[in-house]
Amino acid sequence: AQTVTQSQPEMSVQEAETVTLSCTYDTSESDYYLFWYKQPPSRQMILVIRQEAYKQQNATENRFSVNFQKAAKSFSLKISDSQLGDAAMYFCAYRSDRDNYGQNFVFGPGTRLSVLP
Amino acid sequence: KAGVTQTPRYLIKTRGQQVTLSCSPISGHRSVSWYQQTPGQGLQFLFEYFSETQRNKGNFPGRFSGRQFSNSRSEMNVSTLELGDSALYLCASSLRPPGQDFQETQYFGPGTRLLVL
Repeated sequence: AQTVTQSQPEMSVQEAETVTLSCTYDTSESDYYLFWYKQPPSRQMILVIRQEAYKQQNATENRFSVNFQKAAKSFSLKISDSQLGDAAMYFCAYRSDRDNYGQNFVFGPGTRLSVLP
Repeated sequence: KAGVTQTPRYLIKTRGQQVTLSCSPISGHRSVSWYQQTPGQGLQFLFEYFSETQRNKGNFPGRFSGRQFSNSRSEMNVSTLELGDSALYLCASSLRPPGQDFQETQYFGPGTRLLVL
């Protein structure tokens, strides 16, 4: 079974600085997708960025970028020019590329990010 | 385009009762997944529906069930409620189920917070 680990329960960053959130995963599959979701106090899950495992190029969405290391099974999220609105719980998620009875998304435990003014 | 909507947003029930939660996906989305989020267990996958058929199911007891209607709206039912069922229940929709479109992404609703007393 796939597992997702986020080793940093909490992190903080100064406004306008850069922060990197770590994520590692375990899978025997070769094709899969990785996601970072943000959950602000409103509790709604918001997709931040997505990476297809077959793509070597790291995904980028404005101030958010990932460092995807397939061999190391690592998928870290870098937030540049941090803003107060970035404060939230961040979840790393894995999804298989095929129907996988008993699993859909597998989420990590989350990292709570605080942004200091 | 309207996002995923869930009703009710908050619910209080007592042990032994049953509850039905509703999810309306983004217009055009045909896949709906349900997740349970608790502080202790994190985010856990419940089940996924596509075209009124359950395609995947997580490791939850039979008290948890769901269905999807022809308009893609989905309901989740929990019978004989237990204290441990208190959680945030998140619904997510996507165009197609995993494996059929590598561009597919899930979009989450705001959740229904269930408190069992």
